[in-house]
Amino acid sequence: GDSVTQTEGLVTLTEGLPVMLNCTYQTIYSNPFLFWYVQHLNESPRLLLKSFTDNKRTEHQGFHATLHKSSSSFHLQKSSAQLSDSALYYCALSGTGGYKVVFGSGTRLLVSP
Amino acid sequence: ETAVFQTPNYHVTQVGNEVSFNCKQTLGHDTMYWYKQDSKKLLKIMFSYNNKQLIVNETVPRRFSPQSSDKAHLNLRIKSVEPEDSAVYLCASSLTGGLYEQYFGPGTRLTVL
Repeated sequence: GDSVTQTEGLVTLTEGLPVMLNCTYQTIYSNPFLFWYVQHLNESPRLLLKSFTDNKRTEHQGFHATLHKSSSSFHLQKSSAQLSDSALYYCALSGTGGYKVVFGSGTRLLVSP
Repeated sequence: ETAVFQTPNYHVTQVGNEVSFNCKQTLGHDTMYWYKQDSKKLLKIMFSYNNKQLIVNETVPRRFSPQSSDKAHLNLRIKSVEPEDSAVYLCASSLTGGLYEQYFGPGTRLTVL
């Protein structure tokens, strides 16, 4: 079945440094949709950005990601971390079937002054 | 403004009891979901419904049963709760299927003593 792998459970950064959170996926579906959701403390997940177009950069709120089907990756990046970026980030995949979204295990980002 | 509503916010109960959680969305979406978020923040899909029809039924214990009266409502009943059912149950909705952004409710935190 479909799966999403986020290798880092916790990423700690100093404010101002670049952010990169890894996401790789597995699916037999040739046109998967990939998502990044962010969950701040005591809140519910909300969409940060999404993509289904190969090799096209998607941007939102200073974050960006590019879907690379050749490497089955959808890494999340930001040029300069802010304190308010501290949150839990989920990579998610909608592939086979269309009504099932599979979430990765999440990466907690902690940004310190 | 919250567009996916869940009740109750919290529920504490004892092993073997029955519980019911309610979810309503006012977004006019066709698809609704139940997710379980455990203490390690793993987010796993349990069920998805499209226009009140069950589409996805993941490998959850039989004591879990979803109920949908119309496309705006999706409830979850758990017969005879177990300690491992302690978690946050998140309801979500999307326009049609998993290719669209999901909007999450605030969640129901279940504690089983």
